[in-house]
Amino acid sequence: ETGVTQSPTHLIKTRGQQVTLRCSSQSGHNTVSWYQQALGQGPQFIFQYYREEENGRGNFPPRFSGLQFPNYSSELNVNALELDDSALYLCASSYRLAGELFFGEGSRLTVL
Amino acid sequence: DAKTTQPNSMESNEEEPVHLPCNHSTISGTDYIHWYRQLPSQGPEYVIHGLTSNVNNRMASLAIAEDRKSSTLILHRATLRDAAVYYCILRDGDAGGTSYGKLTFGQGTILTVHP
Repeated sequence: ETGVTQSPTHLIKTRGQQVTLRCSSQSGHNTVSWYQQALGQGPQFIFQYYREEENGRGNFPPRFSGLQFPNYSSELNVNALELDDSALYLCASSYRLAGELFFGEGSRLTVL
Repeated sequence: DAKTTQPNSMESNEEEPVHLPCNHSTISGTDYIHWYRQLPSQGPEYVIHGLTSNVNNRMASLAIAEDRKSSTLILHRATLRDAAVYYCILRDGDAGGTSYGKLTFGQGTILTVHP
């Protein structure tokens, strides 16, 4: 069984640009969630997708959006990039409440 | 989300036991206690979770106080590979589907293991 994979692993963008990050869930998992981790901080929940719909969101502005596809893979889109968006973006998949989340290794975004 | 308090850092020697404490005095009756760890340059990794009773798995043991206001993650024999940030997290078992993928991370405890 393959784990959670994310791409790209590293990328550099400039302020104002848009970025798309991708995530392939662990097999059989129907919930995907995204996290932002600034340097030296714990991950912060952005939102989660279940059956292709967003159904839970943290304290992030609308320029953070996402998609979940029928095969449960997912994308995170960030528009109008700001310098503070520089962070490690983590994707996690899960199946049921109180069960464990499986995280990918993340995509490190640098905004210049 | 109920809050947890952990020491900022702890140190251990290789092959010795490590006890990582977590205080959660405002825990509710439906909150599960979860532990995750994050090795350098990796995503968080599930370690263990429990509700009321002590739990053991191949990675660690979780000791939960009788009043559930604190818990301790026990690594029985620390290895260099156990050097990581350890997060103690509460998850509401009654929160419903909107919380399936949500974890509220704090600062965690940075564990250093000396050879």
